[in-house]
Amino acid sequence: QVQLVQSGAEVKKPGSSVKVSCKGSGDTFSTYALIWVRQAPGQGLEWMGGVIPTFSTAKYAEKFQDRVTITPDKSTNTAYMELSNLRPEDTAIYYCARGTILTGWGSWGQGTLVTVS
Amino acid sequence: SYVLTQPPSVSVARGKTATITCGGDDIGSKAVHWYQQMPGQAPIMVIHYDSDRPSGIPERFSGSNSGNTATLTISRVEAGDEADYYCQVWDSDTEHVVFGGRTKLTVL
Repeated sequence: QVQLVQSGAEVKKPGSSVKVSCKGSGDTFSTYALIWVRQAPGQGLEWMGGVIPTFSTAKYAEKFQDRVTITPDKSTNTAYMELSNLRPEDTAIYYCARGTILTGWGSWGQGTLVTVS
Repeated sequence: SYVLTQPPSVSVARGKTATITCGGDDIGSKAVHWYQQMPGQAPIMVIHYDSDRPSGIPERFSGSNSGNTATLTISRVEAGDEADYYCQVWDSDTEHVVFGGRTKLTVL
């Protein structure tokens, strides 16, 4: 079973940025896609974007297009999600997940709580 | 953008069968995946590619997909199945991952 280990909880001020890491084991980025999903308190899952080997660049949801950057580091099997211009409504648990667009997301990180206050 | 519609809640008596639907335009032409999320935990995949079970998922979990509706069926429901469930597809038109709006399963 692939393990995805995310960085720890963060507390940020409005207007600042946060960078969350997700370290995978094995051949995480060469064959598989890695996405970021967030979950606001009491809410459902929301796709933010991801790195998919088929495409040359990361794909982002329109809602986050101008504020999020997802970058993989193949040398360390680590992916990063940076969200800028933070607002209180960005308070959420941020998950990374690995899989493919055909077979879904079978491995998930433990989640990183980001609090904006 | 592509929209997946799930009922907010489903209740079922222990030992009975729970059915959770996921509606979408021509969803039968897409691969549908289902996730279970327990309180305070990360989601886990319980069905992928419409009806396949990942390793370790009980046979009580099954899925189907046709027309405009995909369905997750949980047979012989146990108290431990009480959780939130999400359907998910890949929208090839927008190249986006799409999640349904969550169904809370309550076991009576």
